[in-house]
Amino acid sequence: GESVGLHLPTLSVQEGDNSIINCAYSNSASDYFIWYKQESGKGPQFIIDIRSNMDKRQGQRVTVLLNKTVKHLSLQIAATQPGDSAVYFCAENHTGRRALTFGSGTRLQVQP
Amino acid sequence: ETGVTQTPRHLVMGMTNKKSLKCEQHLGHNAMYWYKQSAKKPLELMFVYNFKEQTENNSVPSRFSPECPNSSHLFLHLHTLQPEDSALYLCASSQDNTNEKLFFGSGTQLSVL
Repeated sequence: GESVGLHLPTLSVQEGDNSIINCAYSNSASDYFIWYKQESGKGPQFIIDIRSNMDKRQGQRVTVLLNKTVKHLSLQIAATQPGDSAVYFCAENHTGRRALTFGSGTRLQVQP
Repeated sequence: ETGVTQTPRHLVMGMTNKKSLKCEQHLGHNAMYWYKQSAKKPLELMFVYNFKEQTENNSVPSRFSPECPNSSHLFLHLHTLQPEDSALYLCASSQDNTNEKLFFGSGTQLSVL
């Protein structure tokens, strides 16, 4: 069945280091992917998205990489800051479906 | 501020109570959603509305009753809930119903006693 899963439940990094959060998906028909950040007491906040016709997309301090061959998605955060501490979710969708499928989330902890 | 406002932020109710959750979006979007977020579980879609019309009911029990009077407002009416319904209920909106780039509110943390 369809699933979107995360490799690690918790990731701890030092402030200033780069962070890489991984996500695997199983549906080869998935053509849209999105990353959200959720801080404590808040709703998920959009970070970046990518379509399946792209392999890489960059934003401000963030990069999303998509490997369709192995159905893998990653979020890279450059120069991680304490404010980046949160739970990060990936989600995917495909044309015609009425719902994003979310992963379980990875908690990013930034150590000072 | 995401442009999606949910009230109340916290709600405690008994199993025989009737309460309503409210969501308002100020983004000019046409689609609105209710999601449920339980501890250690992925977000679960409950309902989708597009231009006030319900387009998705993800097998949600009838004790949850949504209402969408216009494209900017969404309600979730609660009646005879169970303790396992305790969760964070998130409202979201998007430009259209393609389920891309959803903007979420901060949620209502619901506790059913």
